[in-house]
Amino acid sequence: DAGITQSPRHKVTETGTPVTLRCHQTENHRYMYWYRQDPGHGLRLIHYSYGVKDTDKGEVSDGYSVSRSKTEDFLLTLESATSSQTSVYFCAISNWQPLTDTQYFGPGTRLTVL
Amino acid sequence: TQLLEQSPQFLSIQEGENLTVYCNSSSVFSSLQWYRQEPGEGPVLLVTVVTGGEVKKLKRLTFQFGDARKDSSLHITAAQTGDTGLYLCAGGYNQGGKLIFGQGTELSVKP
Repeated sequence: DAGITQSPRHKVTETGTPVTLRCHQTENHRYMYWYRQDPGHGLRLIHYSYGVKDTDKGEVSDGYSVSRSKTEDFLLTLESATSSQTSVYFCAISNWQPLTDTQYFGPGTRLTVL
Repeated sequence: TQLLEQSPQFLSIQEGENLTVYCNSSSVFSSLQWYRQEPGEGPVLLVTVVTGGEVKKLKRLTFQFGDARKDSSLHITAAQTGDTGLYLCAGGYNQGGKLIFGQGTELSVKP
Protein backbone atom coordinates (compact mmCIF):
# COMPACT_ATOMS: atom_id res chain seq x y z
CA ASP A 1 0.00 0.00 0.00
CA ALA A 2 1.13 3.53 -0.76
CA GLY A 3 2.22 5.38 2.36
CA ILE A 4 -0.62 7.83 2.85
CA THR A 5 -2.07 8.81 6.18
CA GLN A 6 -4.88 11.19 6.99
CA SER A 7 -5.57 12.88 10.28
CA PRO A 8 -7.85 13.03 12.05
CA ARG A 9 -9.80 9.98 10.91
CA HIS A 10 -13.00 11.22 12.50
CA LYS A 11 -14.04 14.69 13.56
CA VAL A 12 -17.24 16.27 14.84
CA THR A 13 -17.37 20.03 14.87
CA GLU A 14 -19.88 22.86 15.05
CA THR A 15 -21.03 25.20 12.33
CA GLY A 16 -18.78 28.22 11.98
CA THR A 17 -15.63 26.69 13.42
CA PRO A 18 -12.44 26.30 11.39
CA VAL A 19 -11.27 22.79 10.59
CA THR A 20 -7.98 21.55 9.14
CA LEU A 21 -7.47 18.07 7.73
CA ARG A 22 -3.99 16.75 7.11
CA CYS A 23 -2.70 14.38 4.46
CA HIS A 24 0.82 12.99 4.82
CA GLN A 25 2.66 10.83 2.26
CA THR A 26 5.95 8.98 2.38
CA GLU A 27 6.05 8.19 -1.37
CA ASN A 28 7.56 11.47 -2.60
CA HIS A 29 4.75 11.76 -5.19
CA ARG A 30 4.50 15.12 -6.88
CA TYR A 31 0.71 15.38 -7.13
CA MET A 32 -1.71 15.42 -4.23
CA TYR A 33 -5.49 15.74 -4.27
CA TRP A 34 -8.38 16.33 -1.89
CA TYR A 35 -11.76 14.80 -2.68
CA ARG A 36 -15.06 14.63 -0.88
CA GLN A 37 -17.34 11.63 -1.16
CA ASP A 38 -21.08 11.89 -0.71
CA PRO A 39 -23.82 9.36 -1.49
CA GLY A 40 -24.85 9.52 -5.13
CA HIS A 41 -21.95 11.78 -6.12
CA GLY A 42 -18.95 9.52 -6.24
CA LEU A 43 -15.73 11.41 -5.56
CA ARG A 44 -15.54 15.12 -6.31
CA LEU A 45 -12.26 16.99 -6.54
CA ILE A 46 -11.90 19.91 -4.12
CA HIS A 47 -8.32 21.09 -4.73
CA TYR A 48 -5.13 19.57 -5.97
CA SER A 49 -1.41 20.32 -5.85
CA TYR A 50 1.19 19.78 -8.54
CA GLY A 51 4.17 20.71 -6.40
CA VAL A 52 5.22 22.54 -3.26
CA LYS A 53 3.22 25.78 -3.04
CA ASP A 54 1.53 24.99 -6.38
CA THR A 55 -2.18 24.37 -6.02
CA ASP A 56 -5.32 24.69 -8.13
CA LYS A 57 -9.07 24.45 -7.69
CA GLY A 58 -11.23 21.47 -8.43
CA GLU A 59 -14.95 21.31 -9.17
CA VAL A 60 -16.18 21.91 -5.58
CA SER A 61 -13.61 24.32 -4.12
CA ASP A 62 -15.94 26.94 -2.58
CA GLY A 63 -15.50 27.12 1.19
CA TYR A 64 -12.18 25.24 1.13
CA SER A 65 -8.55 26.29 1.00
CA VAL A 66 -5.37 24.24 0.81
CA SER A 67 -1.68 24.59 1.47
CA ARG A 68 1.37 22.56 0.61
CA SER A 69 4.59 23.79 2.21
CA LYS A 70 6.36 20.43 1.95
CA THR A 71 6.22 17.60 -0.58
CA GLU A 72 4.85 15.21 1.98
CA ASP A 73 2.04 17.29 3.49
CA PHE A 74 -1.16 18.66 1.97
CA LEU A 75 -3.58 20.49 4.26
CA LEU A 76 -7.26 21.12 3.63
CA THR A 77 -8.90 23.92 5.61
CA LEU A 78 -12.55 24.72 6.07
CA GLU A 79 -12.40 28.34 7.23
CA SER A 80 -15.91 28.29 8.66
CA ALA A 81 -17.49 24.86 8.55
CA THR A 82 -21.09 24.46 7.38
CA SER A 83 -23.42 21.47 7.61
CA SER A 84 -23.16 21.00 3.83
CA GLN A 85 -19.49 20.16 4.34
CA THR A 86 -20.38 17.06 6.33
CA SER A 87 -18.76 14.36 4.23
CA VAL A 88 -15.98 11.83 3.96
CA TYR A 89 -12.77 13.43 2.74
CA PHE A 90 -10.12 11.49 0.85
CA CYS A 91 -6.60 12.48 0.04
CA ALA A 92 -4.89 10.94 -2.98
CA ILE A 93 -1.39 11.04 -4.45
CA SER A 94 0.06 10.33 -7.85
CA ASN A 95 3.21 10.66 -9.91
CA TRP A 96 1.16 11.61 -12.93
CA GLN A 97 2.52 11.18 -16.42
CA PRO A 98 0.45 11.25 -19.62
CA LEU A 99 -1.75 8.16 -19.83
CA THR A 100 -0.68 7.10 -16.35
CA ASP A 101 -3.30 8.59 -14.07
CA THR A 102 -3.14 6.11 -11.21
CA GLN A 103 -4.06 7.70 -7.92
CA TYR A 104 -3.46 6.14 -4.53
CA PHE A 105 -5.94 7.01 -1.83
CA GLY A 106 -5.67 7.50 1.88
CA PRO A 107 -8.09 5.90 4.37
CA GLY A 108 -10.37 8.95 4.56
CA THR A 109 -11.55 11.40 7.22
CA ARG A 110 -15.19 11.39 8.28
CA LEU A 111 -16.22 14.95 9.13
CA THR A 112 -19.53 15.81 10.76
CA VAL A 113 -20.56 19.46 11.06
CA LEU A 114 -23.42 19.99 13.53
CA THR B 1 -18.62 20.22 -17.01
CA GLN B 2 -17.47 16.75 -17.91
CA LEU B 3 -19.67 14.05 -16.48
CA LEU B 4 -19.41 10.30 -16.13
CA GLU B 5 -22.73 8.53 -15.73
CA GLN B 6 -22.43 5.18 -14.05
CA SER B 7 -25.19 2.56 -14.02
CA PRO B 8 -26.70 0.90 -12.22
CA GLN B 9 -26.15 2.71 -8.94
CA PHE B 10 -27.16 -0.33 -6.91
CA LEU B 11 -26.95 -4.00 -7.78
CA SER B 12 -27.86 -6.95 -5.58
CA ILE B 13 -27.26 -10.42 -6.99
CA GLN B 14 -26.75 -14.01 -5.93
CA GLU B 15 -23.36 -15.66 -5.88
CA GLY B 16 -22.57 -17.23 -9.25
CA GLU B 17 -24.48 -14.70 -11.35
CA ASN B 18 -22.90 -12.47 -13.97
CA LEU B 19 -23.18 -8.70 -14.03
CA THR B 20 -22.15 -5.67 -16.04
CA VAL B 21 -21.60 -2.11 -14.86
CA TYR B 22 -21.58 0.75 -17.35
CA CYS B 23 -19.81 4.06 -17.41
CA ASN B 24 -20.85 6.61 -20.05
CA SER B 25 -19.90 10.13 -21.01
CA SER B 26 -20.28 12.59 -23.84
CA SER B 27 -16.62 13.50 -23.40
CA VAL B 28 -13.57 11.78 -24.77
CA PHE B 29 -11.08 10.61 -22.17
CA SER B 30 -7.39 9.84 -22.56
CA SER B 31 -7.75 7.00 -20.06
CA LEU B 32 -10.44 5.27 -18.08
CA GLN B 33 -9.86 3.69 -14.72
CA TRP B 34 -11.88 1.40 -12.50
CA TYR B 35 -11.53 1.48 -8.74
CA ARG B 36 -13.01 -0.69 -6.02
CA GLN B 37 -13.76 0.65 -2.57
CA GLU B 38 -14.58 -1.27 0.59
CA PRO B 39 -16.41 0.30 3.56
CA GLY B 40 -14.17 2.54 5.65
CA GLU B 41 -11.33 2.51 3.14
CA GLY B 42 -10.14 4.53 0.17
CA PRO B 43 -10.63 3.38 -3.44
CA VAL B 44 -8.06 0.99 -4.88
CA LEU B 45 -7.21 0.89 -8.57
CA LEU B 46 -8.30 -2.25 -10.46
CA VAL B 47 -7.33 -1.37 -14.02
CA THR B 48 -6.50 1.43 -16.45
CA VAL B 49 -7.49 1.33 -20.13
CA VAL B 50 -6.10 3.86 -22.57
CA THR B 51 -6.80 2.65 -26.12
CA GLY B 52 -10.21 2.76 -27.80
CA GLY B 53 -11.61 -0.78 -27.98
CA GLU B 54 -9.15 -2.08 -25.43
CA VAL B 55 -10.18 -5.08 -23.35
CA LYS B 56 -8.42 -6.09 -20.16
CA LYS B 57 -9.10 -9.11 -17.97
CA LEU B 58 -8.37 -9.47 -14.30
CA LYS B 59 -9.38 -13.00 -13.28
CA ARG B 60 -13.21 -12.96 -13.44
CA LEU B 61 -13.38 -9.23 -14.22
CA THR B 62 -13.38 -7.97 -17.82
CA PHE B 63 -12.95 -4.28 -18.58
CA GLN B 64 -13.61 -2.65 -21.92
CA PHE B 65 -12.95 0.86 -23.21
CA GLY B 66 -15.32 2.03 -25.93
CA ASP B 67 -13.99 2.60 -29.44
CA ALA B 68 -14.57 6.35 -29.14
CA ARG B 69 -13.05 6.46 -25.63
CA LYS B 70 -16.29 7.88 -24.18
CA ASP B 71 -17.57 4.85 -22.36
CA SER B 72 -16.46 1.74 -20.53
CA SER B 73 -17.89 -1.40 -18.99
CA LEU B 74 -16.96 -3.78 -16.22
CA HIS B 75 -18.23 -7.35 -16.48
CA ILE B 76 -17.94 -9.81 -13.60
CA THR B 77 -18.39 -13.49 -14.31
CA ALA B 78 -19.66 -15.83 -11.60
CA ALA B 79 -19.73 -13.19 -8.88
CA GLN B 80 -18.50 -14.11 -5.43
CA THR B 81 -19.35 -12.60 -2.05
CA GLY B 82 -15.84 -11.14 -1.97
CA ASP B 83 -16.75 -8.97 -4.97
CA THR B 84 -19.11 -6.95 -2.78
CA GLY B 85 -18.13 -3.30 -2.69
CA LEU B 86 -18.40 0.07 -4.39
CA TYR B 87 -17.08 0.19 -7.95
CA LEU B 88 -16.06 3.56 -9.35
CA CYS B 89 -15.08 4.50 -12.87
CA ALA B 90 -12.87 7.54 -13.43
CA GLY B 91 -11.92 9.34 -16.61
CA GLY B 92 -8.59 11.05 -17.12
CA TYR B 93 -7.91 13.74 -19.69
CA ASN B 94 -4.20 14.38 -19.43
CA GLN B 95 -4.47 17.44 -17.23
CA GLY B 96 -2.23 17.06 -14.23
CA GLY B 97 -3.65 13.71 -13.29
CA LYS B 98 -7.10 15.12 -12.60
CA LEU B 99 -9.83 12.52 -12.76
CA ILE B 100 -13.60 12.74 -13.13
CA PHE B 101 -15.37 10.05 -11.15
CA GLY B 102 -18.71 8.40 -11.82
CA GLN B 103 -21.27 8.18 -9.01
CA GLY B 104 -20.33 4.60 -8.23
CA THR B 105 -22.09 1.24 -8.32
CA GLU B 106 -22.82 -0.40 -4.98
CA LEU B 107 -22.58 -4.15 -5.58
CA SER B 108 -23.89 -6.67 -3.07
CA VAL B 109 -23.30 -10.36 -3.77
CA LYS B 110 -25.34 -12.63 -1.55
CA PRO B 111 -24.39 -16.23 -0.75
